[in-house]
Amino acid sequence: DADVTQTPRNRITKTGKRIMLECSQTKGHDRMYWYRQDPGLGLRLIYYSFDVKDINKGEISDGYSVSRQAQAKFSLSLESAIPNQTALYFCATVGANTGELFFGEGSRLTVL
Amino acid sequence: EDKVVQSPLSLVVHEGDTVTLNCSYEVTNFRSLLWYKQEKKAPTFLFMLTSSGIEKKSGRLSSILDKKELSSILNITATQTGDSAIYLCAGRTQGGSEKLVFGKGTKLTVNP
Repeated sequence: DADVTQTPRNRITKTGKRIMLECSQTKGHDRMYWYRQDPGLGLRLIYYSFDVKDINKGEISDGYSVSRQAQAKFSLSLESAIPNQTALYFCATVGANTGELFFGEGSRLTVL
Repeated sequence: EDKVVQSPLSLVVHEGDTVTLNCSYEVTNFRSLLWYKQEKKAPTFLFMLTSSGIEKKSGRLSSILDKKELSSILNITATQTGDSAIYLCAGRTQGGSEKLVFGKGTKLTVNP
């Protein structure tokens, strides 16, 4: 089983719909991140969380919200999806000592 | 604003060639720099480098960080078609808002 699991893996939705992407991890890490990837733009940070009471905005948080329901769960919501939110979304956790990010398999979201 | 810049953005070589990928960083409270390889799915970890300047090696891949130049290189010798991927560089900050800031990536294509 994967250490970091994202659901759904693929989703097609329409403009204006509410979408939630879920992430769960079995690494026991406190730190969790949501990134989005667009072709040619690398990975851009949306939100990150260091524990269930700590939520921080990344560089592109507008239009997104998150919830850290437990140490192992970190969900990303699009309250009213728009086409330019079409992208590949990655959840990740980090090992405190190494700084190595452990990524989920990604959630490909298409907003029509 | 934290920034990581990679060059070139894309590169096409023939099998057997040696390539050098570049990464420069301007990261507040710099802690380390990480290299990832991304094929079709999630990025996979290659190396973590610190200001110690110690070179890291793994098979045909090697990487080193120059703390004076605020840059790092990733070398791949005797390239193979399986090296075709996007190579991502990320600067890790330290402190209360610890996070990874990614560059846009270098897309490497190795032709037979």
